[in-house]
Amino acid sequence: AQKITQTQPGMFVQEKEAVTLDCTYDTSDQSYGLFWYKQPSSGEMIFLIYQGSYDEQNATEGRYSLNFQKARKSANLVISASQLGDSAMYFCAMREEQLSTGNQFYFGTGTSLTVIP
Amino acid sequence: EPEVTQTPSHQVTQMGQEVILRCVPISNHLYFYWYRQILGQKVEFLVSFYNNEISEKSEIFDDQFSVERPDGSNFTLKIRSTKLEDSAMYFCASSGPGVPGEQFFGPGTRLTVL
Repeated sequence: AQKITQTQPGMFVQEKEAVTLDCTYDTSDQSYGLFWYKQPSSGEMIFLIYQGSYDEQNATEGRYSLNFQKARKSANLVISASQLGDSAMYFCAMREEQLSTGNQFYFGTGTSLTVIP
Repeated sequence: EPEVTQTPSHQVTQMGQEVILRCVPISNHLYFYWYRQILGQKVEFLVSFYNNEISEKSEIFDDQFSVERPDGSNFTLKIRSTKLEDSAMYFCASSGPGVPGEQFFGPGTRLTVL
């Protein structure tokens, strides 16, 4: 089974509008972390936001917020007031926090976001 | 702001040749990772490294791959005998002490195997 599922291969949003990128995850661990990364066409991976499984409040970082619904195992990224520079590939990732350190990340297949002027 | 660096940015090699990809993680980080991303596909975990040994590796990380931290600052990925399907972007990442936090990614090395 896929650890991370991103069902939207491509999304379009009008500039200044909000957009939600979907992510569901699969884990039996109680302690885990959820991440979103942005990958522009230049190729680098840029960290956007983190949500810990025990965090009761949804994480926010500027225009980014993570809609964390633990019971549904979803961790959707909401980008408010979209800008042209937001056009990029967006990856959802999960780290299972087991006793051993340095665990691997599981990445989704990504969502390509295009912001339309 | 500290950052992860990788060299070279682009490596072209002949099939069967050995390549070494180099990374300099953030100086106070303790956990190091290699990932690869085949063009247009998702990022795939290869290996994690902590306390001078591999702590986790994926099925992709077979005997052709090895990692090393030779001098306390560099973190290298060696591919002994490259195959065409090794062509990908290879990302190094590091994360800090304590409970592993966010991973900081390097800019990547694009490996092209001819």
